[in-house]
Amino acid sequence: GQSLEQPSEVTAVEGAIVQINCTYQTSGFYGLSWYQQHDGGAPTFLSYNGLDGLEETGRFSSFLSRSDSYGYLLLQELQMKDSASYFCAERDDKIIFGKGTRLHILP
Amino acid sequence: EAQVTQNPRYLITVTGKKLTVTCSQNMNHEYMSWYRQDPGLGLRQIYYSMNVEVTDKGDVPEGYKVSRKEKRNFPLILESPSPNQTSLYFCASSVTGGGQPQHFGDGTRLSIL
Repeated sequence: GQSLEQPSEVTAVEGAIVQINCTYQTSGFYGLSWYQQHDGGAPTFLSYNGLDGLEETGRFSSFLSRSDSYGYLLLQELQMKDSASYFCAERDDKIIFGKGTRLHILP
Repeated sequence: EAQVTQNPRYLITVTGKKLTVTCSQNMNHEYMSWYRQDPGLGLRQIYYSMNVEVTDKGDVPEGYKVSRKEKRNFPLILESPSPNQTSLYFCASSVTGGGQPQHFGDGTRLSIL
């Protein structure tokens, strides 16, 4: 079956850098997406990696290595507003989400 | 404003009473999908639709029905709701399948007693 594994919680300090990992076991893998969800809110799209390598969007970057079945989301210059849950997702037509990583940011 | 609209936002109902959660998008997206979100389980896909009259099962379709008669609408139907369907539900749409960003509605919190 298909599954994506990510840590349940990560804690970092304001202004620092944090990396959230995602490993996957899927057949017919197409690419990895990342979403952010604040408490009480809807998920919002952050990035997508269809090819190996790094994608950068402002303070957020995402990386994919197909040979290692692994990806990560990198958040730089952490701000308190980045406190949220982060989900990796693999998609073709059917979409599988990881269970999410809760990011706690300390002042 | 580009958006995905779900209704109702909150609903408390009883076991066995049929209900429909509506979802509408104004972005002319081909792909639409329903998810449920439960603590510790993340988002799980219930059904998805690649286009009008094309629907398919996601990971947890049991107890749910959908239809896609128009491009903009994708209602979720619970014919005979049960307490294990108490959850937070999200509708989402994207231009197509593949890696296209999904736009989510604000969610529907459903409680079935």
